[in-house]
Amino acid sequence: DAKTTQPTSMDCAEGRAANLPCNHSTISGNEYVYWYRQIHSQGPQYIIHGLKNNETNEMASLIITEDRKSSTLILPHATLRDTAVYYCIVRVAFPGNTPLVFGKGTRLSVIA
Amino acid sequence: GAGVSQSPSNKVTEKGKDVELRCDPISGHTALYWYRQSLGQGLEFLIYFQGNSAPDKSGLPSDRFSAERTGGSVSTLTIQRTQQEDSAVYLCASSLGGVYLRQDNTGELFFGEGSRLTVL
Repeated sequence: DAKTTQPTSMDCAEGRAANLPCNHSTISGNEYVYWYRQIHSQGPQYIIHGLKNNETNEMASLIITEDRKSSTLILPHATLRDTAVYYCIVRVAFPGNTPLVFGKGTRLSVIA
Repeated sequence: GAGVSQSPSNKVTEKGKDVELRCDPISGHTALYWYRQSLGQGLEFLIYFQGNSAPDKSGLPSDRFSAERTGGSVSTLTIQRTQQEDSAVYLCASSLGGVYLRQDNTGELFFGEGSRLTVL
């Protein structure tokens, strides 16, 4: 079972920042937070992951609270192509490369 | 191409027939995963291969489902005596594998485009 809780859906205006929350209150010290997204009819795509520090890459930023019980994925300037289902996943760091357990995710709709 | 390749992209079969779905992972990836996604549902883990270790079959829904990975590369998912509830998109993914995550091995899964199975 997924160890995360996410809102079912969210809307965001094009050009604005999209902030997607995730609760993972039972996360363990050796578990990462991963974010993936799935655009309609495609396979899921990796976005970002982190352990305890905030992370940023060319796609997004990941903000993890100090107690690690929740996190927020930030898409700084959402475009129509960012409309997708976003999955927040908790995954053990060791052993690595274990299967991802997907929950229901958040359906983000970016509106023009 | 350099990505995960799956075939066929679409398969329509009659109830009771056997089907085989193929996955070509990214070259050099030692970990391979199968998932399925029914219409409007989330992704359901099926099976996981890591190098020469015994596969993790904990997600297979019944004994009609099986998978092999030959030579540590190509994988085939076989569904015997298909049922209508087997209709779904079957997704394959691969990753570099290994037990240690590092800066050059983030554990990222690379997914294929999937094989859509329809059982009539």
